[in-house]
Amino acid sequence: EDQVTQSPEALRLQEGESSSLNCSYTVSGLRGLFWYRQDPGKGPEFLFTLYSAGEEKEKERLKATLTKKESFLHITAPKPEDSATYLCAVPFQAAGNKLTFGGGTRVLVKP
Amino acid sequence: DAGITQSPRHKVTETGTPVTLRCHQTENHRYMYWYRQDPGHGLRLIHYSYGVKDTDKGEVSDGYSVSRSKTEDFLLTLESATSSQTSVYFCAISEGSGIGYEQYFGPGTRLTVT
Repeated sequence: EDQVTQSPEALRLQEGESSSLNCSYTVSGLRGLFWYRQDPGKGPEFLFTLYSAGEEKEKERLKATLTKKESFLHITAPKPEDSATYLCAVPFQAAGNKLTFGGGTRVLVKP
Repeated sequence: DAGITQSPRHKVTETGTPVTLRCHQTENHRYMYWYRQDPGHGLRLIHYSYGVKDTDKGEVSDGYSVSRSKTEDFLLTLESATSSQTSVYFCAISEGSGIGYEQYFGPGTRLTVT
């Protein structure tokens, strides 16, 4: 059974304090991975798609990387507006449009 | 929110009553999805649609039915609501299927079953 685990569950950072979030998965034949950001009371917002091991994507202070067993979301010099829950998702083995989501990492950046 | 609206945004209902949630898109995307989000469980797929009148089950489909009579509308029905269906429900859309097609989410509907 495909499983996606995110760690830590919560992260408190000072503004400017860089850190990394982890998304690990057990899937048969990785088909890539999505990262989303979710603000309280809103739907998830798409950030990145990573297609294969070794790929990296960047957007402002966020950088996502992918290996065969895990993905990292690095937050460099975060600002309070980076506070959100970050979700990763992996396509099901049998059907690419069915996603398995991780439980998310809640990030709080204090000024 | 990528041209996706959900209605109602909030609903309180009693156990045993039927409830229908609506998702409307203006993007003309082929795929539409219904998820529920609960603390400790994350986002879980309920049902999805790959075209008008074409639907399939997700991982938590028991107690839910869906219908799609038009490209732009995807309805989720709880035939007889139970307290375990108290949740936040999200609709999502995608242009295609697979890793090359990200899903875009609506603003959500908070449903409380008393």
